[in-house]
Amino acid sequence: TQLLEQSPQFLSIQEGENLTVYCNSSSVFSSLQWYRQEPGEGPVLLVTVVTGGEVKKLKRLTFQFGDARKDSSLHITAAQPGDTGLYLCAGARSSYKLIFGSGTRLLVRP
Amino acid sequence: NAGVTQTPKFQVLKTGQSMTLQCAQDMNHNSMYWYRQDPGMGLRLIYYSASEGTTDKGEVPNGYNVSRLNKREFSLRLESAAPSQTSVYFCASSERWTEYNEQFFGPGTRLTVL
Repeated sequence: TQLLEQSPQFLSIQEGENLTVYCNSSSVFSSLQWYRQEPGEGPVLLVTVVTGGEVKKLKRLTFQFGDARKDSSLHITAAQPGDTGLYLCAGARSSYKLIFGSGTRLLVRP
Repeated sequence: NAGVTQTPKFQVLKTGQSMTLQCAQDMNHNSMYWYRQDPGMGLRLIYYSASEGTTDKGEVPNGYNVSRLNKREFSLRLESAAPSQTSVYFCASSERWTEYNEQFFGPGTRLTVL
């Protein structure tokens, strides 16, 4: 059973479109992180959200932490081919170990 | 700064063989981790070291051992490899053991066990 469920699992869109990726759980997390992983490489941290309801922006990427700190979303505006990759959410609980979702694989077609 | 480095990048083993995956970080981080990544399952924690001199089991420790050689280095050993251990292995580090736990990952080792 996956503690963190990500949806959709796979997304293929045209350059310029908007998209939202979701990360859901029935558990509360003290913080939640989003990583992007490109083929043949390790994940790279994009953002950490800590406070319920928190919204962080990173250029065209907007991250939101749910009010109850059980879920998060990543919204990309005007997607570009460079956004292609595997997006992973990861939650930290009281033990401080990270629990990773299974990921959303994004393909942005030129 | 190289960040987190891992060796080897690729490895093919036969069932029953042993090997050690090496990991080193040059960021003066206190905590280090070993994960495996399998299709559709995200990253699963094998072992971690919250600080130099300590190691603890993660979610999937069976069949593995680790050594925190010093603050920089954290190795993962497979004593008797099995096909179920075919995976991509990532080492990661974080500055300290806190709730934020922002981790930096190495490039991975792709292991195939025949």
